[in-house]
Amino acid sequence: AQSVSQHNHHVILSEAASLELGCNYSYGGTVNLFWYVQYPGQHLQLLLKYFSGDPLVKGIKGFEAEFIKSKFSFNLRKPSVQWSDTAEYFCAVNDPYNTDKLIFGTGTRLQVFP
Amino acid sequence: NAGVTQTPKFQVLKTGQSMTLQCAQDMNHEYMSWYRQDPGMGLRLIHYSVGAGITDQGEVPNGYNVSRSTTEDFPLRLLSAAPSQTSVYFCASSYGPTERAEAFFGQGTRLTVV
Repeated sequence: AQSVSQHNHHVILSEAASLELGCNYSYGGTVNLFWYVQYPGQHLQLLLKYFSGDPLVKGIKGFEAEFIKSKFSFNLRKPSVQWSDTAEYFCAVNDPYNTDKLIFGTGTRLQVFP
Repeated sequence: NAGVTQTPKFQVLKTGQSMTLQCAQDMNHEYMSWYRQDPGMGLRLIHYSVGAGITDQGEVPNGYNVSRSTTEDFPLRLLSAAPSQTSVYFCASSYGPTERAEAFFGQGTRLTVV
């Protein structure tokens, strides 16, 4: 079965620091990958997604992610974080056996201090 | 646009009580899903629907029922609440299979079962 791992459970950074959040999945076939963000007290919203093509994907608010097939990874990056990036970040991947299902990672809580 | 609307936002139930969590979307999306979010476990799929009259089980369906009589509404029923169902519940909708389409989430319902 497909699984998603986010090894960073809680990340604390100062403003202007660079960010990289890890995401690894288990299924070796064709995958569709997503990063969602949940700001405090708000609903989840899509940051970026990868289906095919250029493995470097750019999303909203200066975020990007790189799909590395050989490493089964889809890490999220931002060169310089802001206090407003404080949120919980979820990686998700499609279930290869059911097109109607997404499988989410356990999430990474990011705190950015001024 | 209202997007995905969930009610109530907060609810406290006694063990054994029943209730319905409401979810409505105004985007004419065919696909709707219910997730529960628990600390350290990310989002887990409870039930989903690919259109009116069609529902299916997700990862953690036990103790929950759903129906989809209209495109707009997808209520989640707890028949006999248990403390293990204490969680935050999110409803989501998308215009196509979630493996390719962005999921739009509601604000969530925080349920406590005592």
